[in-house]
Amino acid sequence: KAGVTQTPRYLIKTRGQQVTLSCSPISGHRSVSWYQQTPGQGLQFLFEYFSETQRNKGNFPGRFSGRQFSNSRSEMNVSTLELGDSALYLCASSLEGTGGRDTGELFFGEGSRLTVL
Amino acid sequence: AQKITQTQPGMFVQEKEAVTLDCTYDTSDPSYGLFWYKQPSSGEMIFLIYQGSYDQQNATEGRYSLNFQKARKSANLVISASQLGDSAMYFCAMREGPHYGNNRLAFGKGNQVVVIP
Repeated sequence: KAGVTQTPRYLIKTRGQQVTLSCSPISGHRSVSWYQQTPGQGLQFLFEYFSETQRNKGNFPGRFSGRQFSNSRSEMNVSTLELGDSALYLCASSLEGTGGRDTGELFFGEGSRLTVL
Repeated sequence: AQKITQTQPGMFVQEKEAVTLDCTYDTSDPSYGLFWYKQPSSGEMIFLIYQGSYDQQNATEGRYSLNFQKARKSANLVISASQLGDSAMYFCAMREGPHYGNNRLAFGKGNQVVVIP
């Protein structure tokens, strides 16, 4: 079973540019969430999408946005990049079951490492 | 206020020995879930173990066990018989509220573990 796939794995941008990151969840998973990881702030929740709707949102400026498509694939976009946006962006997918001991475990991808110069 | 606290400095562990990683959490929600993830240098977050706030027994998954002390709000991870491949950053995380409709995790800063032969 294929895991969570994130593309691109590495990218370099300059200040003021914008970037789009892609995440393909595990087949059958309808929830996709995004996290930003930096040495200073650690792992921070960006937002979550479920069935093409944003369900939860973290405390990030409006420059950070996302969307989810009907096949559950998700993209996040960061506009007007700043140096502080340099980070590892992790995507996670989750299967929400209908019973049993479903922990709502999040399966993470390997991340997209963004460097802003 | 920090939801998850991991304060131990980097740790060196002898191969085949056990190691305990501390995690304390802060929540007023009676329903929550606690997770431990491992992040090797490749960047991927690997799920290790889960403990629900209503679970009566401490969670175990192979060499991983979770020492859940609800009154103290602590959820320490115990890794038995350490292996060289256990060298990684370890993150404690919490989801507040029931997991349906919510995949927002708050992460601690992590513990660095290095296993030495």
